[in-house]
Amino acid sequence: AQTVTQSQPEMSVQEAETVTLSCTYDTSENNYYLFWYKQPPSRQMILVIRQEAYKQQNATENRFSVNFQKAAKSFSLKISDSQLGDTAMYFCALRLIQGAQKLVFGQGTRLTINP
Amino acid sequence: SAVISQKPSRDICQRGTSLTIQCQVDSQVTMMFWYRQQPGQSLTLIATANQGSEATYESGFVIDKFPISRPNLTFSTLTVSNMSPEDSSIYLCSLEVYNEQFFGPGTRLTVL
Repeated sequence: AQTVTQSQPEMSVQEAETVTLSCTYDTSENNYYLFWYKQPPSRQMILVIRQEAYKQQNATENRFSVNFQKAAKSFSLKISDSQLGDTAMYFCALRLIQGAQKLVFGQGTRLTINP
Repeated sequence: SAVISQKPSRDICQRGTSLTIQCQVDSQVTMMFWYRQQPGQSLTLIATANQGSEATYESGFVIDKFPISRPNLTFSTLTVSNMSPEDSSIYLCSLEVYNEQFFGPGTRLTVL
């Protein structure tokens, strides 16, 4: 079975600062995808970034980047130049490439960006 | 990506009753998913719904409690049956496109 752990229930930073959210996971499989989702107060789940486990290069999307350490089973999200609109719950998720397409989510990190 | 709509967006129901949640997507997809998000919690998969076959339920979820229909490639329903206050949650449908899952806006259910 797969598990995803987010050890930071809440984080708070000032606008324009950089913040890193942590995620660790466990799976015995070698091929999988990792995702970060954002859920603002509107509750709409928004895909932020995706990483394929077979790629060594860390994924980036504008101000969002990941630090993927496969051996350590770590997948952190870095948000640069944080903005007020980044305030949301952030969930880390894992999906195996083979077999069921289900997403396994972490517990989430509530991120607040202060003006 | 895909456009996914859910109805109702929220509802308040009495215990013992049932509520059917609808999920409509703007493109044809083989597989749709239903998740539950209990208050302050993460998302948990209820079941996977393939068009033309019975839904596959995750451990802890049963068809009698959460019957799912999938009549065509753009539509699915989830019924929460014989509700109790413990069923108060956000229910979300999702679909997968090119190995990425996209979610509907969710249905916030409160059971009194």
